[in-house]
Amino acid sequence: DQQVKQNSPSLSVQEGRISILNCDYTNSMFDYFLWYKKYPAEGPTFLISISSIKDKNEDGRFTVFLNKSAKHLSLHIVPSQPGDSAVYFCAAIKTGANSKLTFGKGITLSVRP
Amino acid sequence: EAGVAQSPRYKIIEKRQSVAFWCNPISGHATLYWYQQILGQGPKLLIQFQNNGVVDDSQLPKDRFSAERLKGVDSTLKIQPAKLEDSAVYLCASSPGTGALSRYGYTFGSGTRLTVV
Repeated sequence: DQQVKQNSPSLSVQEGRISILNCDYTNSMFDYFLWYKKYPAEGPTFLISISSIKDKNEDGRFTVFLNKSAKHLSLHIVPSQPGDSAVYFCAAIKTGANSKLTFGKGITLSVRP
Repeated sequence: EAGVAQSPRYKIIEKRQSVAFWCNPISGHATLYWYQQILGQGPKLLIQFQNNGVVDDSQLPKDRFSAERLKGVDSTLKIQPAKLEDSAVYLCASSPGTGALSRYGYTFGSGTRLTVV
């Protein structure tokens, strides 16, 4: 049972354009959503998060949008840079005792110079 | 602040052999996680420790996998005997605790890439 879904395995965009990475979830109990970025041979690094009580969170070039009614979130990267090329994981959590992150399969972003 | 340390970085073993991975979390982090990431999939939680106690090992194949966290600090994950399908990256992560988790997420180590041949 995949509770966090990233249905597109890859995305290719031109440098300077917008990258939009999508994520869907099924568990309405999740109250926080996070995006992680992973380069080859490295562990995932935290990028940005959003609480379920918000619909938008922005940090520099990165913005995450949450549509709770649709159980959908998206990560926007503007403008995209070649250094953004990596695997991006969407993750979700129901906070509280013994909480844990549930990850999607990831999407490989390639930013073309 | 030093990150999460893992060793070894790479390991190649034959099936039915045993292997162990080591993790040293960020100092003071109470919660430690082991994740398994198979190529093309997202990380899957194997086991979660709070200090030196196990709080979730529901996804750990206990017939072959074992883990411990000595004195609530370092942790080891062992596979014995290994199968071909155990080929994956094994990621260790730590967090201060539930309250800080949602804002900063976990901190992951670089992982151990295991290849079983």
